[in-house]
Amino acid sequence: QSALTQPPSASGSPGQSVTISCTGTSSDIGAYNFVSWYQQHPGKAPKLMIYEINKRPSGVSDRFSGSKSGNTAFLTVSGLQAEDETDYYCSSHAGSLHYVFGTGTKVTVL
Amino acid sequence: EVQLVESGGGLVQPGGSLRLTCAASGFTFSNYPMHWVRQAPGKGLEYVSGISYNGGAPYYGNSVKDRFIISRDNSKNMMYLQMGSLRAEDMALYYCVRESVLTFDIWGQGTMVTVSS
Repeated sequence: QSALTQPPSASGSPGQSVTISCTGTSSDIGAYNFVSWYQQHPGKAPKLMIYEINKRPSGVSDRFSGSKSGNTAFLTVSGLQAEDETDYYCSSHAGSLHYVFGTGTKVTVL
Repeated sequence: EVQLVESGGGLVQPGGSLRLTCAASGFTFSNYPMHWVRQAPGKGLEYVSGISYNGGAPYYGNSVKDRFIISRDNSKNMMYLQMGSLRAEDMALYYCVRESVLTFDIWGQGTMVTVSS
């Protein structure tokens, strides 16, 4: 039940793109196509941004996209805006009711 | 409006117990698996426990196994987390979360548990 590994930080200039990685194992990310990404602003509850690797809930900007390769998932934020500067967490289904979260990445808009 | 409201957090001494409650509204509670996720101050998200839509086959993270018990009452649209043998490392904001399509789509605002003597 080790946490998924994310880089502690990522950054980009306004209008540019930033990609965050999320590395797991063959028991979680590698085994299932149920990877999600959450955005969390300070003092707020996490908000679902991406589910099933690359699907966006209603209301989430299409600037957010997801992908997966092997045991690693990726979140790309395109056209960076000041409001995107915050923390992002990945998670993966790992069987039955079992889920695991990533270590979190702080995105900075330069 | 779909809503999850946690309660029951507070200050407890090490070794003590506490019962968290999650009140759900705005959706058919009995159709969804539910979970608890926690976040220690300044730290990341940690999966705690989950329960199926009918209360069967609960799952616990290794850090809380044998100390916490998750349950639900579909007649009351409520979920619970009975926490025992509390440790300093259990101090966190505890979120109630709805699972849909194997993702966590609805989050409550959390209830804070402080473990200190």
